[in-house]
Amino acid sequence: AQKITQTQPGMFVQEKEAVTLDCTYDTSDQSYGLFWYKQPSSGEMIFLIYQGSYDEQNATEGRYSLNFQKARKSANLVISASQLGDSAMYFCAMREDSGGSNYKLTFGKGTLLTVNP
Amino acid sequence: EAQVTQNPRYLITVTGKKLTVTCSQNMNHEYMSWYRQDPGLGLRQIYYSMNVEVTDKGDVPEGYKVSRKEKRNFPLILESPSPNQTSLYFCASSHLTGTSFYEQYFGPGTRLTVT
Repeated sequence: AQKITQTQPGMFVQEKEAVTLDCTYDTSDQSYGLFWYKQPSSGEMIFLIYQGSYDEQNATEGRYSLNFQKARKSANLVISASQLGDSAMYFCAMREDSGGSNYKLTFGKGTLLTVNP
Repeated sequence: EAQVTQNPRYLITVTGKKLTVTCSQNMNHEYMSWYRQDPGLGLRQIYYSMNVEVTDKGDVPEGYKVSRKEKRNFPLILESPSPNQTSLYFCASSHLTGTSFYEQYFGPGTRLTVT
């Protein structure tokens, strides 16, 4: 079974609107972290936001927020007030922190977001 | 400025010609890792290192070697590159403890083409 599932290969949103990118995860660890990265066409990986499994509040970073639903094992990224510069590939990733873990990030296959003017 | 650097950024080479992609970080991170990114597959870990002289295989280690002789450097070595190693490669680093534990810094990527 895939550890990180991003079911939306592509998404479109109008400029200034909000958009939600879906991510579900699968782990039996109690301690883990969830990450979202942005990859523009230039190729670099840009860290957006992090949510720890023990964090009770949803993480927020500027226009980015993470809708963390632990029981459903989902960690959706919400981008508010979309901008043209938000057009990029978005990756959800998980790091399992149990003993013996190598702390690697397991990535989903990504969602390509296009912001229309 | 805190950063992870990779060199070269772009490389076109031929099958069988040994090459090294360098990775260096200036944040005194214990943990370093190499990933490859292929279309439709996301990023997959190749090798990782918990500290100097401590390295281990990730999910797709075949055809690659690494070394960690100094804390800041973690080169990726392809002894005999093949076309299926054509990919976008990322080096990443982080602390293993402390408040910045969650921050994984990525290098800018190396686009490798093996013909």
